[in-house]
Amino acid sequence: KQEVTQIPAALSVPEGENLVLNCSFTDSAIYNLQWFRQDPGKGLTSLLLIQSSQREQTSGRLNASLDKSSGRSTLYIAASQPGDSATYLCAVRPGTGGFKTIFGAGTRLFVKA
Amino acid sequence: KAGVTQTPRYLIKTRGQQVTLSCSPISGHRSVSWYQQTPGQGLQFLFEYFSETQRNKGNFPGRFSGRQFSNSRSEMNVSTLELGDSALYLCASSLEGTNSPLHFGNGTRLTVT
Repeated sequence: KQEVTQIPAALSVPEGENLVLNCSFTDSAIYNLQWFRQDPGKGLTSLLLIQSSQREQTSGRLNASLDKSSGRSTLYIAASQPGDSATYLCAVRPGTGGFKTIFGAGTRLFVKA
Repeated sequence: KAGVTQTPRYLIKTRGQQVTLSCSPISGHRSVSWYQQTPGQGLQFLFEYFSETQRNKGNFPGRFSGRQFSNSRSEMNVSTLELGDSALYLCASSLEGTNSPLHFGNGTRLTVT
């Protein structure tokens, strides 16, 4: 059974700091891994999707890496800003078991001005 | 291009009642999936539809059901509501294909009293 874990559960950093969020999954048989951000009371905003054959994806100040064999992904945020404050979730689409997506519990990020 | 639209945004119901939530996907997206989000359990997969067919269902009781119409719009229904059904219900749409990213609506906040 695929399980997704995110560490840390919460993180507080000063503005301008570079930071890394971690995601691990138990079964390496995945189609892809997707990172989202969620603002309070809102839906999820897609940030990056990494296919199983890819090692990383970049969008602006965000870089996501995938090491499928070890069951790990990281989301790197450069030069953090107060507007980055949100909950970040990673999710995997398993390679077996049908059309569903399994989410981690998220990392709550607070960037202090 | 309009995003995923969920209606209503908020609902208050009484135990034992039933409720229907609606989701309109992004134009051209034929896959619609539903998730329940609670503080204790996080995001949990409910079911996924494609071309009016349910392709996968999560581990929820039969009180939770859904359907998809020919225009890809989807509804989910919860019968005999329980207090524990209080949650944010999120709908996501995507293009066909295992590596298509999920795009979420802002959700429906259901409160059961």
